[in-house]
Amino acid sequence: ETGVTQTPRHLVMGMTNKKSLKCEQHLGHNAMYWYKQSAKKPLELMFVYSLEERVENNSVPSRFSPECPNSSHLFLHLHTLQPEDSALYLCASSQPGQTNYGYTFGSGTRLTVV
Amino acid sequence: AQSVSQHNHHVILSEAASLELGCNYSYGGTVNLFWYVQYPGQHLQLLLKYFSGDPLVKGIKGFEAEFIKSKFSFNLRKPSVQWSDTAEYFCAVNEAGTYKYIFGTGTRLKVLA
Repeated sequence: ETGVTQTPRHLVMGMTNKKSLKCEQHLGHNAMYWYKQSAKKPLELMFVYSLEERVENNSVPSRFSPECPNSSHLFLHLHTLQPEDSALYLCASSQPGQTNYGYTFGSGTRLTVV
Repeated sequence: AQSVSQHNHHVILSEAASLELGCNYSYGGTVNLFWYVQYPGQHLQLLLKYFSGDPLVKGIKGFEAEFIKSKFSFNLRKPSVQWSDTAEYFCAVNEAGTYKYIFGTGTRLKVLA
């Protein structure tokens, strides 16, 4: 385990379903991130939360809805997804600042939209 | 817009060969630089990082990287690769003091035993 735990590890959902991805960290980090990892594409930053406030939203479709109830938990709520949303969704945390020590990534949720 | 380029998408080497993976970025300000590795079926993990000081940084498992500011490059090297180095390698650039990280597209390394 990395210190960042993501559940579920695998998810198959229909286009009309609603599901949520969960991320949890107990590293004391104050920033948490959602990334999308698709084949042959760079990691795409989706959302950034710092101290439970959303600080970045990279033009992500509204069918993805993040929630950060506290500094240790981050959710990604999914509804009416499309097949092209199938990907590995990665959560990461960090303690940003001038001396940035990089991310700690979770193992990801492999999402398949059918 | 800032970007990170990894020129080699697939690299195949024999064991004991030397490795160099290229990474170039476009950003004129102060940056923190990282290499991450993703072994098959595993999560992304930090291989090494550069903030300041000696431009030659050493990471885990015998990897090193050199920051050449004038070339906006941060190439990853290993003198002698092993079969267990088979993985995907990602270069990432962070604008210092911000949350913004930009990742490259990754390089898949296959080491033949």
